[in-house]
Amino acid sequence: DQQVKQNSPSLSVQEGRISILNCDYTNSMFDYFLWYKKYPAEGPTFLISISSIKDKNEDGRFTVFLNKSAKHLSLHIVPSQPGDSAVYFCAASATGSARQLTFGSGTQLTVLP
Amino acid sequence: EPEVTQTPSHQVTQMGQEVILRCVPISNHLYFYWYRQILGQKVEFLVSFYNNEISEKSEIFDDQFSVERPDGSNFTLKIRSTKLEDSAMYFCASMKLATTGELFFGEGSRLTVL
Repeated sequence: DQQVKQNSPSLSVQEGRISILNCDYTNSMFDYFLWYKKYPAEGPTFLISISSIKDKNEDGRFTVFLNKSAKHLSLHIVPSQPGDSAVYFCAASATGSARQLTFGSGTQLTVLP
Repeated sequence: EPEVTQTPSHQVTQMGQEVILRCVPISNHLYFYWYRQILGQKVEFLVSFYNNEISEKSEIFDDQFSVERPDGSNFTLKIRSTKLEDSAMYFCASMKLATTGELFFGEGSRLTVL
């Protein structure tokens, strides 16, 4: 039961260019979406989130776009830096579910110097 | 900056033994969670805890698992009789309010069952 899908297991980008990570979801009850960054042997670190009432949220180099009709969200990182290299997880939650997160399988981003 | 802390960072145990993983959530947070990640797989929800009781649990969280908040600061996950397939990274997380939706995770406890 893959309610949150990240279809690209890996992505390589040149330093300074834009990284675009994609995520699709199937559960229409999800109303809050988050991106987490994870390094090996560490816990996920919250990056940016978006509520379903918005279609864009920006924080510095990170922007999340939400397309509810397509049940699709994306994370844009610009400009990409080598320190951004990590696994990025998309997650979603629904009201009334104790806000438990359903995670995607992750995308390994490698930013090449 | 406040953070979620977990102990131990790594535990090795024999199959059938009891294991307790400990967590200290961020102090003004109200919601507490355990997640796990088996090597190479996605992060999976185990259980959520609010107002001193379990609010939700997944299919993974069977009778071998229990959680407790014994003293108002610690939040523990107990596995009564460990199995090989319990080997994973276990992440504790906490959240301030249900309206924010932002969980903050600890560094994880790696459990290895032999």
